[in-house]
Amino acid sequence: EAGVAQSPRYKIIEKRQSVAFWCNPISGHATLYWYQQILGQGPKLLIQFQNNGVVDDSQLPKDRFSAERLKGVDSTLKIQPAKLEDSAVYLCASSLTGGGVGEKLFFGSGTQLSVL
Amino acid sequence: KQEVTQIPAALSVPEGENLVLNCSFTDSAIYNLQWFRQDPGKGLTSLLLIQSSQREQTSGRLNASLDKSSGRSTLYIAASQPGDSATYLCAVRGNYGQNFVFGPGTRLSVLP
Repeated sequence: EAGVAQSPRYKIIEKRQSVAFWCNPISGHATLYWYQQILGQGPKLLIQFQNNGVVDDSQLPKDRFSAERLKGVDSTLKIQPAKLEDSAVYLCASSLTGGGVGEKLFFGSGTQLSVL
Repeated sequence: KQEVTQIPAALSVPEGENLVLNCSFTDSAIYNLQWFRQDPGKGLTSLLLIQSSQREQTSGRLNASLDKSSGRSTLYIAASQPGDSATYLCAVRGNYGQNFVFGPGTRLSVLP
């Protein structure tokens, strides 16, 4: 079974530039999550999709971050314009339904973003 | 608001030792708790998931316990190996449809 795919693995940009990350979840998984992990901290949820609808985006900085999941499969997270404090690893995760008993989260390898 | 802490932040042990990692959470109204492993530069891999009605889960050399009333979970690793070196994170999901809240992790080094 293929895992959660993310690209690119690394990205270096200058502040005020824009950047986009792509994620393809495990086939059949209805729920997709984007997390931000700053060095030395646990992941923080940015946005959760259930199929192609947004369930939770309460911690997404909407003035600069946007995300979409067209057709309920793969997803793109964009930052425009980037700030120095956006330097982090951006992790995509998926789960089968988003809340079933015993349901686990599956993560991709992440995109490491450095903003200079 | 749920807060999750993990102690210690880092741990270094010689190979073969049994060890315990701790996870504490402030709100005991949880749906489940999950332990993850993260290798440098990689994503998270799920190790064990404990539902709120369970007291423990075991997988190989790993055993996770849950005490909801005291807001604590422990991950026990038996006969540690250098390959166990990684960061271990716990994450808690609340009862009311909330998403997982992660702890900061414990960085484990097992020395040969």
